Amino acid sequence: EPEVTQTPSHQVTQMGQEVILRCVPISNHLYFYWYRQILGQKVEFLVSFYNNEISEKSEIFDDQFSVERPDGSNFTLKIRSTKLEDSAMYFCASSYPSGGRDNEQFFGPGTRLTVL
Amino acid sequence: ILNVEQSPQSLHVQEGDSTNFTCSFPSSNFYALHWYRWETAKSPEALFVMTLNGDEKKKGRISATLNTKEGYSYLYIKGSQPEDSATYLCAFNQAGTALIFGKGTTLSVSS
Repeated sequence: EPEVTQTPSHQVTQMGQEVILRCVPISNHLYFYWYRQILGQKVEFLVSFYNNEISEKSEIFDDQFSVERPDGSNFTLKIRSTKLEDSAMYFCASSYPSGGRDNEQFFGPGTRLTVL
Repeated sequence: ILNVEQSPQSLHVQEGDSTNFTCSFPSSNFYALHWYRWETAKSPEALFVMTLNGDEKKKGRISATLNTKEGYSYLYIKGSQPEDSATYLCAFNQAGTALIFGKGTTLSVSS
């Protein structure tokens, strides 16, 4: 069964460093998403991506964040200068537009980012 | 600010018990309600996507109902098994907006 994969599973970085989190969405999906969950808090939407551009982003997704689909299979989230408060589990998701409201999003297993 | 609340936050049941959790969401401009099952170290797995008021969906021993007018959904598990132990997330969205998640209900089933 096709699945969303994410690498690495765990990333440790120093404050101020750049990190790139990688995702391989399901191959025929057209919508891509990043979410994060800070420990003990709710899963929060960061950004959605369609047709090679951002379709929606939250207040969290500021200038420190960027997304890219560099090669037609990978979908990346870059954090330019990490802060302590960026420590969280980052989830990638993808979906194929069903044409109806029942558009299901398929999630990857997450990357745990720890900023020291 | 749109908010999704889930209750209880956690519960512990014995194998064979039936249980249910609640998800509350804003009733205005409803578009869809998603239930996910999330086991530690695994991907959140979609259980149901519900769109119509009065919808009832079932997958094995798990079922869900939806009331969009009053803004709640119930998830039921009949005859809980240890493998049902997980966090159950609900997420809601209005038309054209991103999913808004609740904090989840963590279920622990003892054999």
